[in-house]
Amino acid sequence: DIQMTQSPSTLSASVGDRVTITCRASQSISRWLAWYQQKPGKAPELLMSIASSLESGVPSRFSGSGSGTEFTLTISSLQPDDFATYYCLQYINYPHTFGQGTKLEIK
Amino acid sequence: EVQLLESGGDLVQPGGSLRLSCAASGFTFSSYDMSWVRQAPGKGLEWVSGITGGGGTTYYADSVKGRFTISRDNSKNTLYLQMNSLRGEDTAVYYCAKGITMRGQGTLVTVSS
Repeated sequence: DIQMTQSPSTLSASVGDRVTITCRASQSISRWLAWYQQKPGKAPELLMSIASSLESGVPSRFSGSGSGTEFTLTISSLQPDDFATYYCLQYINYPHTFGQGTKLEIK
Repeated sequence: EVQLLESGGDLVQPGGSLRLSCAASGFTFSSYDMSWVRQAPGKGLEWVSGITGGGGTTYYADSVKGRFTISRDNSKNTLYLQMNSLRGEDTAVYYCAKGITMRGQGTLVTVSS
């Protein structure tokens, strides 16, 4: 099975900051990586798929990059609504696997 | 609009069984792989099981293999998860997903005596 290692587990930042979250796969997953945002008590929301393809309605301050084994999610200028937990998911094959999550906190 | 409505969650004793359902609408159900994803209280997301559009091939996480069975009824646009031999560590909110997209609010399964 493919293991996904996400870092950091917690990130403290301020409104307006640029932040980056990283996901590393234990083997190449090409670009079959998705990013989710989850707020407390809510279902995870798909932000982007195929490493960098934003879902409809997702603000352009979110961007993704990478291929193979290393991927990043970048938020260019944090807004108050962005403080949440973020997860990556590899879906090149089954079983799909999630990263451990990154909790983005207000500094 | 894609809608996924999970149901069937309940409080069940260890060793018990439960069947979850996910009613889908707003898309051609039989054309999509479907999955179940769960989240234990205060923990991260865990992919549980997946099934191809025609239902012919199924996949499971090691943690549930041999205990859970995923199935679908394409005539009813409904996905199922039969859960047997339930354990405390199966306590979680269970989400169904169209491909990799989760839309519903999930259904809570609590395994406790």
